[in-house]
Amino acid sequence: AQSVSQHNHHVILSEAASLELGCNYSYGGTVNLFWYVQYPGQHLQLLLKYFSGDPLVKGIKGFEAEFIKSKFSFNLRKPSVQWSDTAEYFCAVNALNFGNEKLTFGTGTRLTIIP
Amino acid sequence: NAGVMQNPRHLVRRRGQEARLRCSPMKGHSHVYWYRQLPEEGLKFMVYLQKENIIDESGMPKERFSAEFPKEGPSILRIQQVVRGDSAAYFCASSPPSEGSNTEAFFGQGTRLTVV
Repeated sequence: AQSVSQHNHHVILSEAASLELGCNYSYGGTVNLFWYVQYPGQHLQLLLKYFSGDPLVKGIKGFEAEFIKSKFSFNLRKPSVQWSDTAEYFCAVNALNFGNEKLTFGTGTRLTIIP
Repeated sequence: NAGVMQNPRHLVRRRGQEARLRCSPMKGHSHVYWYRQLPEEGLKFMVYLQKENIIDESGMPKERFSAEFPKEGPSILRIQQVVRGDSAAYFCASSPPSEGSNTEAFFGQGTRLTVV
């Protein structure tokens, strides 16, 4: 079965700092990869996704992620964070061989931006 | 096009009561997924349903939990005889029918169940 690891449990940054959140997955086959964000009290929103093609994907709100197949990683980046980026971030994987779109999530990274 | 609608947003139940959580998928979506988020944990897959069919229930507890997605009406996640450990946020997601797996699931706002 696949699994997803997010090693950063809680990250605290100042505004304008650069961000990188780690995500590693374990699965030997083809995967779709996602980053979701959950603002306090709200539902999960898709930040970006990777299905195929260019391993550097750009999402909403200035976020991007790079799929490195050899490292089984899909790290999320943003060059300059804002206070409004304070939220919980979840990496998720869909293993295509399972034949459905169920997602396996990491435990999440809580991001706190200090004004 | 309304998003995925879940109700109630908050549900309080006493131990031993039943909890019924509802999820109306986005218009045109025929696939529904239920996830549970325990405190300080990520979302865990519970069950995947299509209209009138349970496709994958590998994440469902063996007892007390059931799910359905009838031909008409919302999907229901039912928890019988709730215990304190059932307290969690329950999220529903829906996706459109597709031949491959390159689709995106859209999430509802969740139902926060508190068992007292």
